[in-house]
Amino acid sequence: DTGVSQDPRHKITKRGQNVTFRCDPISEHNRLYWYRQTLGQGPEFLTYFQNEAQLEKSRLLSDRFSAERPKGSFSTLEIQRTEQGDSAMYLCASSYRRGGSYNEQFFGPGTRLTVL
Amino acid sequence: AQRVTQPEKLLSVFKGAPVELKCNYSYSGSPELFWYVQYSRQRLQLLLRHISRESIKGFTADLNKGETSFHLKKPFAQEEDSAMYYCALSGVGNEKLTFGTGTRLTIIP
Repeated sequence: DTGVSQDPRHKITKRGQNVTFRCDPISEHNRLYWYRQTLGQGPEFLTYFQNEAQLEKSRLLSDRFSAERPKGSFSTLEIQRTEQGDSAMYLCASSYRRGGSYNEQFFGPGTRLTVL
Repeated sequence: AQRVTQPEKLLSVFKGAPVELKCNYSYSGSPELFWYVQYSRQRLQLLLRHISRESIKGFTADLNKGETSFHLKKPFAQEEDSAMYYCALSGVGNEKLTFGTGTRLTIIP
């Protein structure tokens, strides 16, 4: 499968613990996005990278959240001191940015986080 | 601020009947509009975008700037159309997507 992959697919943790998710984009895609989806809602933008540079962060991304894409390939999203409100599906997407036109974002299967 | 509204959370339609999923948006500027679909146990995928003006799987959507709408239509529903549909918007030159809350479409055999 050459699509976007995410690991783990499911994570259950206790409140206060730290968790880290990984996203592997489609090879050679230079843009990588993180979204969060809670029950009954559409995905909400969190942050995105062009290569290794983090270009934008949503106000949803509190200081407990940090994302990295150290070599411009895979990305990690870490949540420190998890809270029950962090329970959600975390989606990763990638695209290949060229020119000024929109480039389709390809989504991964998501990581479902449950905070007890 | 950009916002996408999908007024119907659930929509049930008989097979062979026409389908219309509503989407309204607010954006100060010229947005790009999309429909994404998520079939059962599959990942979110792009169905169509307004710029391409294509018909995908029999679905079409016309951007109406006067009414700020981008409704998704299909003349004859098929059982395989049952899925979750999300309308989404991005600003020109800014590819982050703003999604609506989605409409779950169920086609009744």
